[in-house]
Amino acid sequence: NAGVTQTPKFQVLKTGQSMTLQCAQDMNHEYMSWYRQDPGMGLRLIHYSVGAGITDQGEVPNGYNVSRSTTEDFPLRLLSAAPSQTSVYFCASSTGDRGGVGEAFFGQGTRLTVV
Amino acid sequence: AQSVTQLDSQVPVFEEAPVELRCNYSSSVSVYLFWYVQYPNQGLQLLLKYLSGSTLVKGINGFEAEFNKSQTSFHLRKPSVHISDTAEYFCAVSKRGNFNKFYFGSGTKLNVKP
Repeated sequence: NAGVTQTPKFQVLKTGQSMTLQCAQDMNHEYMSWYRQDPGMGLRLIHYSVGAGITDQGEVPNGYNVSRSTTEDFPLRLLSAAPSQTSVYFCASSTGDRGGVGEAFFGQGTRLTVV
Repeated sequence: AQSVTQLDSQVPVFEEAPVELRCNYSSSVSVYLFWYVQYPNQGLQLLLKYLSGSTLVKGINGFEAEFNKSQTSFHLRKPSVHISDTAEYFCAVSKRGNFNKFYFGSGTKLNVKP
């Protein structure tokens, strides 16, 4: 009963480095999304996907790329890390209202520091 | 576009006292409403949700919330809090028919004192 799994849990990057945050869900959810959490700002949507092969931008997409080749996986790529990307990143998945559940399930988060 | 306002960034309260965490939203369309809780260094866990029907919604851990369409509010309440309720609470909205996007408030830190 894993739910949404994010790796790594912690990461320190140097400015300009690239990396991929991994997210996997085993609930066969159509919808997946990435959020960043900053103090006093709640969670803000970075990118989201409505199914394999379909992605779109959220509120704060600059500096991030995503792809969705399978239902299960939704990696987030930082192309050239900047200190402004220091944050806690959460991946979420949801069924949509057709499934009757109507909620988002969150991973445990990835704490990223860019120095 | 939706926006969510949590009016209190921090709420201190003594154990066994009642608490209300306030949430107001603005939206031009019908929405679903949620409260999530985040314990230190953990992800978000759903407390309760309003999708339709009765405006009083009961959730886990003794929490409840009331949807007020005229005041566009979804305040969270608990009649008697415990030390273990110390956490950050987030109100969120999602557009009806679309669970792709959740819009979150800035969060309220509930600090329960003995």
